[in-house]
Amino acid sequence: GQQLNQSPQSMFIQEGEDVSMNCTSSSIFNTWLWYKQEPGEGPVLLIALYKAGELTSNGRLTAQFGITRKDSFLNISASIPSDVGIYFCAGQRIDNFNKFYFGSGTKLNVKP
Amino acid sequence: DGGITQSPKYLFRKEGQNVTLSCEQNLNHDAMYWYRQDPGQGLRLIYYSQIVNDFQKGDIAEGYSVSREKKESFPLTVTSAQKNPTAFYLCASWSAGRTGDYGYTFGSGTRLTVV
Repeated sequence: GQQLNQSPQSMFIQEGEDVSMNCTSSSIFNTWLWYKQEPGEGPVLLIALYKAGELTSNGRLTAQFGITRKDSFLNISASIPSDVGIYFCAGQRIDNFNKFYFGSGTKLNVKP
Repeated sequence: DGGITQSPKYLFRKEGQNVTLSCEQNLNHDAMYWYRQDPGQGLRLIYYSQIVNDFQKGDIAEGYSVSREKKESFPLTVTSAQKNPTAFYLCASWSAGRTGDYGYTFGSGTRLTVV
C-alpha cells in the first residue's frame, strides 16, 4: 500500500500567499517527484529531485529532497488562482526501482 | 508529439458487465501502470508491466485484468468481480534510466461509472 504521508490534506489560502506542503516516508527514497492534478485530468509532473539535499525551482515552485532521504517538501510562492488543484508527492524507494509510491495529495484552494 | 492516450474519457458499465479501458503510448517507454483514484484520495496501483508479455499485480488487483501484447498498449479490463468499480482510472508509462525521463507520464484518465 501507500507508504507516503502527505500533509496537509487541504489548504484554503488567499491569493498572494505562500504555500508549503510536505511528504514523509518510513523508507529511504532515491527519487522524489511532485505532481499537480486538475479536475478530471491526469497528474502533470512539476519537479523531480534525485539527490539528498537537492533544492530545485520551477518558476514560483520550489521543492527540496530531505537530507534523511525520507522526506520532501514543496513550496509555492505568491499563489494565484490557477494554482488550484491537487498536489501529489511521489517517491521511488531505494530498494525497488520498479514503481513510484504516491502520497494522498494536498488539495489547494486559492481565493482571489 | 509523444504522449500517452487513454480512451474513452467517460465509460458507463452495467452491473455484471466487463469493460476494457484503453491505454496507448508512443513514448517508447518500457513500463506501464494502471492506477485507480477515488474522490479525495490518492492513487492506488492496480497492475504494472515492465516489459511486453509480463505484468505484476499491484495493491488492488482483485477484479481487474490486464495484457501487454505490445510495448505501446496496456489495456485494463474491469471485470464483474470488481464490486465497486466506479472511479477515475489513470494509466502511466515510464522508462527507468533514460535521460530526460523524469518519472511517470500520465494519461488524462477514464472515469468509469456503474449504472
